Amino acid sequence: GENVEQHPSTLSVQEGDSAVIKCTYSDSASNYFPWYKQELGKRPQLIIDIRSNVGEKKDQRIAVTLNKTAKHFSLHITETQPEDSAVYFCAALTGANNLFFGTGTRLTVIP
Amino acid sequence: NAGVTQTPKFRILKIGQSMTLQCTQDMNHNYMYWYRQDPGMGLKLIYYSVGAGITDKGEVPNGYNVSRSTTEDFPLRLELAAPSQTSVYFCASSTDYTEAFFGQGTRLTVV
Repeated sequence: GENVEQHPSTLSVQEGDSAVIKCTYSDSASNYFPWYKQELGKRPQLIIDIRSNVGEKKDQRIAVTLNKTAKHFSLHITETQPEDSAVYFCAALTGANNLFFGTGTRLTVIP
Repeated sequence: NAGVTQTPKFRILKIGQSMTLQCTQDMNHNYMYWYRQDPGMGLKLIYYSVGAGITDKGEVPNGYNVSRSTTEDFPLRLELAAPSQTSVYFCASSTDYTEAFFGQGTRLTVV
């Protein structure tokens, strides 16, 4: 089955700095890569996603890059704000439509 | 349009008891998933379904069963509850290669 690894597990940045979270996956048939944000006690919510035919996607302060050859994808958050503090999960959707998640990154933005 | 609805929100079970976690979605999604999230950890796939009448095991299916008699409903059954099943359970649904929408979660404690 698919194996999604995510790093780092915790990340602290100063407000206004950038944050980068990296993920790798094992199943070359995986073709959809969403990122979710989960606030304490809440459900995960999609913040951005990318499909395998695209190398990069941006939405305001958030961007995702995908390298299919190397099987890795990354989340970039620029100009971080305190409200960006949360746990972020990457995920990969396999050809069998299984959605596997990474272990999460706890991001803390220090005012 | 309620999205994905899970019941109950909280439950305490005694060891050896059984229960069913309910999940229903009103978005006509064909894919549905059950995850468990242990404290400070990521989401582990328990079971998934690609359509009514079709279910399959995920990463951690032992101790659980599911059924999918309709497109809308995907209940998760726990037989002979054990303390190791103490967790937060999330149901999710999606269509082909699109955002998975999560329910609000069920916090289960087995004592």
